[in-house]
Amino acid sequence: DAKTTQPNSMESNEEEPVHLPCNHSTISGTDYIHWYRQLPSQGPEYVIHGLTSNVNNRMASLAIAEDRKSSTLILHRATLRDAAVYYCILSLIQGAQKLVFGQGTRLTINP
Amino acid sequence: DARVTQTPRHKVTEMGQEVTMRCQPILGHNTVFWYRQTMMQGLELLAYFRNRAPLDDSGMPKDRFSAEMPDATLATLKIQPSEPRDSAVYFCASGGGGSYEQYFGPGTRLTVT
Repeated sequence: DAKTTQPNSMESNEEEPVHLPCNHSTISGTDYIHWYRQLPSQGPEYVIHGLTSNVNNRMASLAIAEDRKSSTLILHRATLRDAAVYYCILSLIQGAQKLVFGQGTRLTINP
Repeated sequence: DARVTQTPRHKVTEMGQEVTMRCQPILGHNTVFWYRQTMMQGLELLAYFRNRAPLDDSGMPKDRFSAEMPDATLATLKIQPSEPRDSAVYFCASGGGGSYEQYFGPGTRLTVT
């Protein structure tokens, strides 16, 4: 499984944008980039995924570098509820695939 | 609002006892995953099933752990005998059936004393 590298922690202020980076220099052409997050005392939840093009959904945006060796999850206006551990994961999509979680980035939001 | 359910939510048991954790995947999902989370190891995949057939259980200690899907609405994870090092939160997730997302349950917090 290709590896991802994320900062251990980040901090931001409420109502400001947050950019969470992820490096995946060994990504293969068939790997999708997934982001999940885990709120305190809950199971992980899906945030967004993409292959080559930038993606937007109601939760976040995913910006993928042209060479696909890195990506950035963007929370446009962080709220206190966005405080969580964010995981960047590479996986094939052929139906549901197993996820290999790293340590993720612990995001703290200051009021 | 379809959800993955897990029972029990909390379990405290003594070393050597059998533990059974249950998961009800979302209706229509054909893939079920078992993960374990500890402070030291983080989230790790134990096993997963597709269409009730085991696909990969390489993350599971075979001598004491077993995972089954008796039917499409129930997945079980058993530990026999349990040991203190099995203390963790066990998550079940389901996906597939046209969905690329995995939906996680609330977890079973297991404490083995």
